[in-house]
Amino acid sequence: GENVEQHPSTLSVQEGDSAVIKCTYSDSASNYFPWYKQELGKRPQLIIDIRSNVGEKKDQRIAVTLNKTAKHFSLHITETQPEDSAVYFCAATDSWGKLQFGAGTQVVVTP
Amino acid sequence: DGGITQSPKYLFRKEGQNVTLSCEQNLNHDAMYWYRQDPGQGLRLIYYSQIVNDFQKGDIAEGYSVSREKKESFPLTVTSAQKNPTAFYLCASSINGMNTEAFFGQGTRLTVV
Repeated sequence: GENVEQHPSTLSVQEGDSAVIKCTYSDSASNYFPWYKQELGKRPQLIIDIRSNVGEKKDQRIAVTLNKTAKHFSLHITETQPEDSAVYFCAATDSWGKLQFGAGTQVVVTP
Repeated sequence: DGGITQSPKYLFRKEGQNVTLSCEQNLNHDAMYWYRQDPGQGLRLIYYSQIVNDFQKGDIAEGYSVSREKKESFPLTVTSAQKNPTAFYLCASSINGMNTEAFFGQGTRLTVV
């Protein structure tokens, strides 16, 4: 089955700097890679996703890249702001439809 | 809000008792999931269901059971066999379970004393 690993577990950045979170997956048949943001006490919410036929996707300050050969994908947040502070989860859907999540990255943006 | 509802928000049970967590969605989604969230361990998959009357075990199914008799509902029972049931439980649903966004409920925090 799918195994998703996520790094780092915590990330502290200065406001205005960039943040990068990296994930790897094990099932080469996986074809959908969403990223979720979970603020304290709230439910996870999708911020961006990418499908296996695309190498990069961007939405304002957020971008995701996918390297299918190496089986890794990354989240990039530019010009970070205090409201970007949250826990971020990467995920992958395997060939059986299982949506598996990474362990999460706690991002802290300091003013 | 989001069309997926979990109840109750907080639940307290005595050790040795079974307890059922409710998850209902009105989004007409085929796929539904149950996750357990513990500090520092992310979202671990308990059970998932791609269609009515069918469900599959996730990575940590031991001590849990589910049913999917209706498309809208995917209740999770935490049995007395679950060694450490105190946790935050999240239910989610997606259109087809393959490559579409999953929407989460607000979660149920279960405390077993």
